[in-house]
Formats: sequence, structure tokens, C-alpha cells
Amino acid sequence: DTGVSQNPRHKITKRGQNVTFRCDPISEHNRLYWYRQTLGQGPEFLTYFQNEAQLEKSRLLSDRFSAERPKGSFSTLEIQRTEQGDSAMYLCASSFPGQETQYFGPGTRLLVL
Amino acid sequence: AQSVTQLDSHVSVSEGTPVLLRCNYSSSYSPSLFWYVQHPNKGLQLLLKYTSAATLVKGINGFEAEFKKSETSFHLTKPSAHMSDAAEYFCVVSDSWGKLQFGAGTQVVVTP
Repeated sequence: DTGVSQNPRHKITKRGQNVTFRCDPISEHNRLYWYRQTLGQGPEFLTYFQNEAQLEKSRLLSDRFSAERPKGSFSTLEIQRTEQGDSAMYLCASSFPGQETQYFGPGTRLLVL
Repeated sequence: AQSVTQLDSHVSVSEGTPVLLRCNYSSSYSPSLFWYVQHPNKGLQLLLKYTSAATLVKGINGFEAEFKKSETSFHLTKPSAHMSDAAEYFCVVSDSWGKLQFGAGTQVVVTP
């Protein structure tokens, strides 16, 4: 068991570019969550999946953000037309069916110039 | 709706002395509560969780927390701080779908 992995670990992009992040959850974890953490704050919920179904999206997730989990395994989070305010750490977590404990990946740190 | 409030943004302790991190929660039902720790450049790690079993919860690395419904509190303690405890600590409440609501965090500094 290698834990939750996220790629890339760091991303620097220019304003207006699109970026995509990937999360690989712990195998057999059917729930997958995305959070965003800005400097000096706690993580904030963005969206989550149960298997391949996206069940909830936060109001923080504007129409420039889209997340997918096509086969119920890995997930991608895409940000279109990035803005400087999108600069943050993007965290992925997964949990086992029926259990509340979420296991977090190391995060992808995004810097929009 | 549920929320958590961490009462201290920074706590400084001397090595070997007790640590107390305070957290109050608000929830319309019996909550599930967690403490997570985040070391610099590392992922969030679960310290302990409360899920309506024993009110005194023991976690990893000598930490424990007590759930007090009458005070709506879930304070985290450790009898003797170690240098490796320097990190950011988050009090967290979970909704019925497992969505986590994090507090703003408490930065712990441990001095020799």
C-alpha cells in the first residue's frame, strides 16, 4: 500500500493557462475527495466522488474547475483559464467504504504568475 | 451545518511541558471529530478521531483528546511535548457524507 499519491507535486503556470492535477487513491477506497488549502488556512472542501459518481461540489468550485473520476480509480482536477487567486495547495484524500477516516496525499502546490 | 473553532492560532511550549490545543465545535447532530497534524512539506496525518464511543480518545505519538458534549469542546492534549511535535494542528468535524470541515489551524512551536 503506497498511500494516496498526487502528481505533479508542484506546478507553476501563467495566468490564463489550463492545468490538470492527478490523484491516485489507496486501492479499494471508493470515496475520493478534493480540498484546497491557501496559506495560513485549513483545507476547504471542493468536491467528492463515490466510485465514478461526483456527488457534491462546493460553491468554491467555479465553472473553471472540473473534476473527473472516469473508472472509479484515479481522479483528475482541471482548472481552466487560471487566475492568481487559484494559487493554493490542492489536496486529495480517499476513504474506505463505510469508514470516515480520510487519508490524504501530499498535495499539489499551484502557483499562478 | 457544522463547524469548528480553534481558539488559538499559535501555541508555544517548552520541550517536556504539556501541550493543550483548544477546539470548540458546532453541530446539529452527534458529530464525528478528528485532529489532523500537518508537518512542513508533508501531508495531513490523522492523530485521532472521536465517533461516539469513548469520550476520551487516545491517538498516535502520545496525544489524546476528550469529547465534552456539555461544553461542545474537543481539546487535544499531550503530557510532554517533543521537538518533533512542532507542526500545524487542525481540528476537524465530519458531516454525514464524510465531508470534512477544518478549523483554521493551530501552529505549535516547541522550544528547547
